[in-house]
Amino acid sequence: DAGVIQSPRHEVTEMGQEVTLRCKLISGHNSLFWYRQTMMRGLELLIYFNNNVPIDDSGMPEDRFSAKMPNASFSTLKIQPSEPRDSAVYFCASSRDRSGVAEQFFGPGTRLTVL
Amino acid sequence: GESVGLHLPTLSVQEGDNSIINCAYSNSASDYFIWYKQESGKGPQFIIDIRSNMDKRQGQRVTVLLNKTVKHLSLQIAATQPGDSAVYFCSSGGYQKVTFGTGTKLQVIP
Repeated sequence: DAGVIQSPRHEVTEMGQEVTLRCKLISGHNSLFWYRQTMMRGLELLIYFNNNVPIDDSGMPEDRFSAKMPNASFSTLKIQPSEPRDSAVYFCASSRDRSGVAEQFFGPGTRLTVL
Repeated sequence: GESVGLHLPTLSVQEGDNSIINCAYSNSASDYFIWYKQESGKGPQFIIDIRSNMDKRQGQRVTVLLNKTVKHLSLQIAATQPGDSAVYFCSSGGYQKVTFGTGTKLQVIP
């Protein structure tokens, strides 16, 4: 298995542009997590899906951020419009969550720079 | 202007010595705990886990200790190697709820 796949690995964009980050889960996993990591705030959970359903989106900063799971193996995180303070590394993680919390497998991350 | 970043506690250890990294959690309902290792430029990676019905669990060169009374978790690394240099996170959780600690940076001195 290739593990969690994220694309792009690096994204540089200008303020006001729409940014879409993509994540492919590990086959057989049914939970999906989006995280943001910065020097200022560390690792922050943005949103968590279980069986394609958003369970906890309390970490999503504001309405400019949205996440979807169009199918069981794929997710997108969209920022529209982007702002310089959104610059961070965004991680996607998946897990085989049967009865509760399970080990999360992280992707390599997308480093986003908003100018 | 000067930027202020998250101040990660740093543990400096001589190569070959044992390392102990500590973590406090707040939710007494947490029943599953994981230690992750994050190397520079990579995502966090699973090291070892422990459930709340255990006090101790051992892996290869690593041991996790859980003290539910004081809500404290520790990771012990035996014979620390340069490749152990990374940021270590603890996570605690229960059903559909996971919380990550802020992390501890381990520096191994050759």
